[in-house]
Amino acid sequence: QLVLTQSPSASASLGASVKLTCTLSSGHSSYAIAWHQQQPEKGPRYLMKLSSDGSHTKGDGIPDRFSGSSSGAERYLTISSLQSEDEADYYCQTWGTGARVFGGGTKLTVL
Amino acid sequence: EVQLLESGGGLVQPGGSLRLSCAASGFTFSNYAMSWVRQAPGKGLEWVSDISDSGYTTYYADSVKGRFTISRDNSKNTLFLQMNSLRVEDTATYYCAKDRRIDSWSESDSWGQGTLVTVSS
Repeated sequence: QLVLTQSPSASASLGASVKLTCTLSSGHSSYAIAWHQQQPEKGPRYLMKLSSDGSHTKGDGIPDRFSGSSSGAERYLTISSLQSEDEADYYCQTWGTGARVFGGGTKLTVL
Repeated sequence: EVQLLESGGGLVQPGGSLRLSCAASGFTFSNYAMSWVRQAPGKGLEWVSDISDSGYTTYYADSVKGRFTISRDNSKNTLFLQMNSLRVEDTATYYCAKDRRIDSWSESDSWGQGTLVTVSS
């Protein structure tokens, strides 16, 4: 069964960088994922698709501060030059025929 | 600009029904698969249902199978979710989402603002 695992929380200082992780369950390390951002009291916002080779395609208007990378079953979202508006929940997602799976989300606090 | 606008949420008693709508604009609606995703208060995102671009293929999460029905009217650029036999645990904000690609199932690249469904006696 495909499961995406995310740490519940992360924090970093204003202007710093942070790397969030989404881990694919055993046997699914070749899967691409998508990253979504959800600011407080808002709907989700698509950030990017991230493939197993680390290549990524960002959504319209997503700043260069957001980037993705991959290593084995791990998918990463790196946010550099953190701004206050980056404080949000971040979800990874996979998709396929018949189901979509979301990770539990990581709540990012900008200190 | 892609816009997705959900409506139809509200307060309903356990065992009741609601029909959610999602009005789409800014893209060729009939070319894209669509999804419903929900979020219980204070919880994460949970996939509910998918529908293909034509509407002929649908999928459901086990938690709603047999109770919810997804459909679409491509002539009116509108996505629907008929929810029957509602349970307290169906309480959530429901989002519609658009697939990014037109030729296969893909990730969601646009989301609505959500509509709140509260199931309570």
